[in-house]
Amino acid sequence: DVQLVQSGAEVKKPGESLQISCKGSGYSFTDYWIAWVRQMPGKGLEWMGIIYPGDSDTRYSPSFQGQVTISADKSIYTAYLQWTSLKASDTATYYCARRHESSGYVEDWGQGTLVTVSS
Amino acid sequence: EIVLTQSPGTLSLSPGQRATLSCRASQSLSGSYLAWYQQTPGQAPRLLIYGASSRATGIPDRFSGSGSGTDFTLTISRLEPEDSAVYYCHQYGSSPRTFGQGTKVEIK
Repeated sequence: DVQLVQSGAEVKKPGESLQISCKGSGYSFTDYWIAWVRQMPGKGLEWMGIIYPGDSDTRYSPSFQGQVTISADKSIYTAYLQWTSLKASDTATYYCARRHESSGYVEDWGQGTLVTVSS
Repeated sequence: EIVLTQSPGTLSLSPGQRATLSCRASQSLSGSYLAWYQQTPGQAPRLLIYGASSRATGIPDRFSGSGSGTDFTLTISRLEPEDSAVYYCHQYGSSPRTFGQGTKVEIK
């Protein structure tokens, strides 16, 4: 079975850095794009960007370009979402999700990682 | 960027009734690259429909999708209590990918 297992909840202070992870299993990790999606408390889904672990080709939504870094380590089947300086407005649940191999829709989701940024 | 507008914001219906959810795109979606997701509280979204009308694996046939161009619909033919959730449409034909703001379905 395909599984995307995300790292646990984080509580950080403004200005701190953070990296959260998403480990894929049950499929060929290098052959499927992995997306990151933000959901702020009580709000809807927002597309942040996507990475192809096979060659680390990465595409960002304009709203998130320069605000986060998406990366992947194919040797350990893991994708990452990173911040260098968190803000309170980064408080949200972040989902990783696997894109269908040939079509563009996302078909499998991680369980989500809640990031809380508070002084 | 393609903006997806969902309506209504909230739908309150009884079990057994039909629910009709709308998703309108600001530009035509070539190839009907539209998906629908269901999200229950505290859970990750679940894929229901892709390609505007194809049901994902394991999705009951009471869920159906239709539409093309700029207007798309998700229909739940006979509501069951477990259908209480927020439903999102998502376009994946144009970059950046975008989601609608969601429709909340409440079961009376």
